Amino acid sequence: EAGVAQSPRYKIIEKRQSVAFWCNPISGHATLYWYQQILGQGPKLLIQFQNNGVVDDSQLPKDRFSAERLKGVDSTLKIQPAKLEDSAVYLCASSWDMETQYFGPGTRLLVL
Amino acid sequence: GIQVEQSPPDLILQEGANSTLRCNFSDSVNNLQWFHQNPWGQLINLFYIPSGTKQNGRLSATTVATERYSLLYISSSQTTDSGVYFCAVEEDRRALTFGSGTRLQVQP
Repeated sequence: EAGVAQSPRYKIIEKRQSVAFWCNPISGHATLYWYQQILGQGPKLLIQFQNNGVVDDSQLPKDRFSAERLKGVDSTLKIQPAKLEDSAVYLCASSWDMETQYFGPGTRLLVL
Repeated sequence: GIQVEQSPPDLILQEGANSTLRCNFSDSVNNLQWFHQNPWGQLINLFYIPSGTKQNGRLSATTVATERYSLLYISSSQTTDSGVYFCAVEEDRRALTFGSGTRLQVQP
């Protein structure tokens, strides 16, 4: 069974630029999560989808972050414009039962 | 929101030693998971354990939900066990809240 796929693996941008991350969950997993992990901390939820609907986006900075999950499969997370404090690892996870979550390898973002 | 505290924050072991990692949480939960984040950043699910005891090889975990804590036991540690161990909890079908982790280094 293929795991959660994410791309790109690394991204370096300058502040005020925009960036997008892509996630392909495990086949059949209805629930998809985006987390932000700042160096030295545990992951923090940004947004949770159930199929193509948003379940929880209370911690998503909506003035600059947006996410979508068209057709209830793949998802994209966008930051526009990026700030220095957005430097982090962005993790995508999926689950079929909303219990056990399976994480992708993450996208490491550096904002200069 | 719910608070998750992990201890110790850092742990250095010699290969072959045993260890216990602790996770305390501030409210009742319906989901608790332990993860291992390897040095390359990949998070691997170790246990889904909202209550009771489970074992998988050299690892075992116990959650006492009524007392709001969980323990992860690592026996006969190996250098490949190095990394960060996270406890994460979920309340009321919300997404996981992670602790700050225990950073484990196993020396040969």
